[in-house]
Amino acid sequence: QVQLQQWGAGLLKPSETLSLTCGVSGGSLNNYYWGWIRQPPGKGLEWYGEINDSGQINPSLKSRVAISVDTSKNQFSLKLTSVTAADTAVYYCARVNAGDDAFDLWGQGTMVIVSS
Amino acid sequence: QSVLTQPPSASGTPGQRVTISCSGGSSNIGSRSNTVSWYQQLPGTAPKLLIYSDNQRPSGVPDRFSGSKSGASASLAISGLQSEDEADYYCAAWDDSLNGRVFGGGTKLTVL
Repeated sequence: QVQLQQWGAGLLKPSETLSLTCGVSGGSLNNYYWGWIRQPPGKGLEWYGEINDSGQINPSLKSRVAISVDTSKNQFSLKLTSVTAADTAVYYCARVNAGDDAFDLWGQGTMVIVSS
Repeated sequence: QSVLTQPPSASGTPGQRVTISCSGGSSNIGSRSNTVSWYQQLPGTAPKLLIYSDNQRPSGVPDRFSGSKSGASASLAISGLQSEDEADYYCAAWDDSLNGRVFGGGTKLTVL
């Protein structure tokens, strides 16, 4: 059974870089897109971007965001530079089933708080 | 403000049928090549896929949940409402103009 396990720093100061990684267990990165979605406290879901196993990143990534994939470690990562309090949110990694065009598998979520 | 518009709240009593709407435009839901997916988020948990490709259910999702699409709008219907259905529900679709995925603002379903 494929599972996503994510990790990264949960407390940052303003201007620091958020770095999260999502490991894929029980399956391969191949033939899927892998994405990041965030949810500010009490608010809705916001898509941040997707990447496939070949490193292709879907366009329209917001500024300050970088998504990368490491096929040798079966994991993918999110970096968000120059964070502010507005970046405080739960960050989720997810698998995109391209054929179904939907996020069919989600990580457990990581709460990231930006505070001085 | 979300690109896809959902009512902020909905409610029903056990056994009732409830529908949640999701309104978009010609670049997302209304585009022939784009499909709608729906997600259920129970309190304190990650979202879970309920419906994909407008009206398909993943394995394990009860057939009480159904999806439909017409033009630039989509709907999620829940029949035989149960207390465990109390959750937030989100629609999503690809947007050709933004070249990215967009979510609705979410609908909080209360089972009275």
